[in-house]
Amino acid sequence: QVQLQESGPGLVKPSETLSLTCGVSGYSISSGYYWGWIRQPPGKGLQWIGSIYHLGTYYNPSLKSRVTISMDTSKNQFSLKLSSVTAADTAVYYCARGTRYSSHDYWGQGTLVTVSS
Amino acid sequence: QSVLTQPPSVSAAPGQKVTVSCSGSSSNIGDNYVSWYQQLPGTAPKLLIYENNQRPSGIPDRFSGSKSGTSATLGITGLQSGDEADYYCGTWDSSLSADVFGTGTKVTVL
Repeated sequence: QVQLQESGPGLVKPSETLSLTCGVSGYSISSGYYWGWIRQPPGKGLQWIGSIYHLGTYYNPSLKSRVTISMDTSKNQFSLKLSSVTAADTAVYYCARGTRYSSHDYWGQGTLVTVSS
Repeated sequence: QSVLTQPPSVSAAPGQKVTVSCSGSSSNIGDNYVSWYQQLPGTAPKLLIYENNQRPSGIPDRFSGSKSGTSATLGITGLQSGDEADYYCGTWDSSLSADVFGTGTKVTVL
């Protein structure tokens, strides 16, 4: 069974960088699929942030200038960095496995990140 | 601001059928597969339908998906109280080069 688990600080100060890691078990991330981040502001809908796969990364154009997603295959995990955060970046952040047809079939439980001084 | 539009809410009595629509354009739904997700309160989204009408293992056949042109529809038959949740459509947008999600629909069992 594939399982994903987000980890990282729950509170980030404005203008700083949000950093999260997603640990994967039950599947080797180097074996394929896309590995992505999706967020959900409180009481709002889902927003795709970006994904990484063996051939590279691709990001939401509206966030691209601030986002970096990377993989550590030795630890079977991938990470998200979002720079220059503001209160608008406060959200539950999910990591998820994606397929070539943009379905996300396994999700982490999500982690709430609050941007506040 | 989402490029996929869903009704904010739909409702029906237990045992009845509901449908949730998802309206897009030629660059997203019109050109790519659609997925549907169920999000129960306080939990992560769960994949219900992929590739327009396929159900992952373990998803009951009460849930169905279809696509026509630039719109997609999720159907839920034999509605149960446990189906009360938010439902999202999702697909790839070829113009934006991005995964996109619908605005979300809250399904209420009366």
